[in-house]
Amino acid sequence: KAGVTQTPRYLIKTRGQQVTLSCSPISGHRSVSWYQQTPGQGLQFLFEYFSETQRNKGNFPGRFSGRQFSNSRSEMNVSTLELGDSALYLCASSLGTSGNTGELFFGEGSRLTVL
Amino acid sequence: GENVEQHPSTLSVQEGDSAVIKCTYSDSASNYFPWYKQELGKGPQLIIDIRSNVGEKKDQRIAVTLNKTAKHFSLHITETQPEDSAVYFCAPRYNTNAGKSTFGDGTTLTVKP
Repeated sequence: KAGVTQTPRYLIKTRGQQVTLSCSPISGHRSVSWYQQTPGQGLQFLFEYFSETQRNKGNFPGRFSGRQFSNSRSEMNVSTLELGDSALYLCASSLGTSGNTGELFFGEGSRLTVL
Repeated sequence: GENVEQHPSTLSVQEGDSAVIKCTYSDSASNYFPWYKQELGKGPQLIIDIRSNVGEKKDQRIAVTLNKTAKHFSLHITETQPEDSAVYFCAPRYNTNAGKSTFGDGTTLTVKP
């Protein structure tokens, strides 16, 4: 079974630009969550999508948005990039239904550098 | 929301020694207690988890113990090996909220050969 695939793995942007990151979950998984990882703040929850609907949202500004497609693939977008947005963005997939094991399967992340 | 504290933040042990990492949480409704391992350049990977109806679970050299009354659970690694060197995270939560997890700040474990 293929794992969680994130693209691109590395990217460099300048302040004010926008970026779109992509995540393909494990086949059969309907939930996709996004996390931001930085040395200072650790792993912070951005949002979760389940069956094309945002189910949960973390405490990030509106510049951070996402969506999920009918095939469960997800994208997240960050507009008007700031230096502080430099981070590793991790996508995690899970079955998403209540009562399941709840294990999160993470991709290897997209490393964003904002100059 | 869940407040999660993880200790210690760094841990250095000699190969063959044991390592213990503790995670304290605040939400008494939490019923799922996983530990993730993150190696350099990779995403976190689940290594062991436990549910609230069980006090201890073991998988070869790793074990997790849960004290629900005191709201903490611990990761135990015995006979440590250099390949155990990584960052370890706890992420307790209420099971139905699978996608939204609150992670501890992580423990960097270094196993010296």
